[in-house]
Amino acid sequence: NAGVMQNPRHLVRRRGQEARLRCSPMKGHSHVYWYRQLPEEGLKFMVYLQKENIIDESGMPKERFSAEFPKEGPSILRIQQVVRGDSAAYFCASSRTSGGPQETQYFGPGTRLLVL
Amino acid sequence: AQRVTQPEKLLSVFKGAPVELKCNYSYSGSPELFWYVQYSRQRLQLLLRHISRESIKGFTADLNKGETSFHLKKPFAQEEDSAMYYCALRVVSNYQLIWGAGTKLIIKP
Repeated sequence: NAGVMQNPRHLVRRRGQEARLRCSPMKGHSHVYWYRQLPEEGLKFMVYLQKENIIDESGMPKERFSAEFPKEGPSILRIQQVVRGDSAAYFCASSRTSGGPQETQYFGPGTRLLVL
Repeated sequence: AQRVTQPEKLLSVFKGAPVELKCNYSYSGSPELFWYVQYSRQRLQLLLRHISRESIKGFTADLNKGETSFHLKKPFAQEEDSAMYYCALRVVSNYQLIWGAGTKLIIKP
């Protein structure tokens, strides 16, 4: 099992461009979570998805950010018209189930987004 | 609101010395607490969770509800313990993890 995969590992964008971050969950996992980590801070929850459904997007900025997890293919976090403040590390995690005392979230290596 | 505080950004100790990484949380109910570790150039991985009451790599953590703490301890630090350590809280029957800012642990030879 290759674990949670994220690509690209590093992404550089100019202000106003779009950023697309991809996450492939572990085999057998159908729950995906996205977190953002700003410099010197802990991770902050953004969105929780299951296949073809957004379950909780309470941590997503209201504008420019969107996420999807299609029936086939990876989950995608999309940031339109990026601004310098979007520069951060974006982590994806997956789990077999959601909640529950035995559920563990497994993390990908993250995508470092730099907006120039 | 739920919150996790790791008061030390950086902790440096000598090899063989005891280590304690502090974690305090605020939550009025019964939380689940976790410690995650990120070694250099590796991904975040779960170190231990309070529900399991296990010891991993010599580390232990006890949930103290009276002090709302979940400090991570190891009696004798090893050089390979150098890493970033994150404390995280999950509200029971929820899935969101609430994270501390992390503590960088450096073990000096």
